[in-house]
Amino acid sequence: DAKTTQPNSMESNEEEPVHLPCNHSTISGTDYIHWYRQLPSQGPEYVIHGLTSNVNNRMASLAIAEDRKSSTLILHRATLRDAAVYYCILCGGSNYKLTFGKGTLLTVNP
Amino acid sequence: GAGVSQSPSNKVTEKGKDVELRCDPISGHTALYWYRQRLGQGLEFLIYFQGNSAPDKSGLPSDRFSAERTGESVSTLTIQRTQQEDSAVYLCASSHNPGRGHQPQHFGDGTRLSIL
Repeated sequence: DAKTTQPNSMESNEEEPVHLPCNHSTISGTDYIHWYRQLPSQGPEYVIHGLTSNVNNRMASLAIAEDRKSSTLILHRATLRDAAVYYCILCGGSNYKLTFGKGTLLTVNP
Repeated sequence: GAGVSQSPSNKVTEKGKDVELRCDPISGHTALYWYRQRLGQGLEFLIYFQGNSAPDKSGLPSDRFSAERTGESVSTLTIQRTQQEDSAVYLCASSHNPGRGHQPQHFGDGTRLSIL
């Protein structure tokens, strides 16, 4: 499975934008880029996914580099409820197995 | 709408006992997954159901672990003769058919299993 690399932790201030990076230099042409997050004592929560084009939804935006070797999850205005571990996951074709690495622990300061 | 529901939320049992963990997926989701998350670790895939069939059981760690799904709905994960290393949070997720293109998985909050 293609791997992803994320910083172990990041900090942000409330109401400021947050850019969470992910490197995936060995991504294959059929791999989708998924982002999930996990709040304390909860199951993972789907955030967003994309293939080549940038994507927006009510939770976040996903910016994908032109060569697809990296991507950035953008939270436009961080809130305290956004404090969580964020996972960047590659998932190919009709593959269903999500392989969660260590993710990025996001701390949001009031 | 209702999300994925798991019960019990916490289970404490003695080593050697059998346990059953239940998952109620989102209505209409044909795919169901079980994962395990040990303390401080990432998720480990256990098993995947499409309808009532399990085409992929490759993540089940031993023959003490089994799972079934009925009515294309509820699933039960059973662990026989529990061992201390089985202590973990067991997470269930459901989705629309992944064979029809990428489908987000929706997770429950898990069952925290503690083996004494």
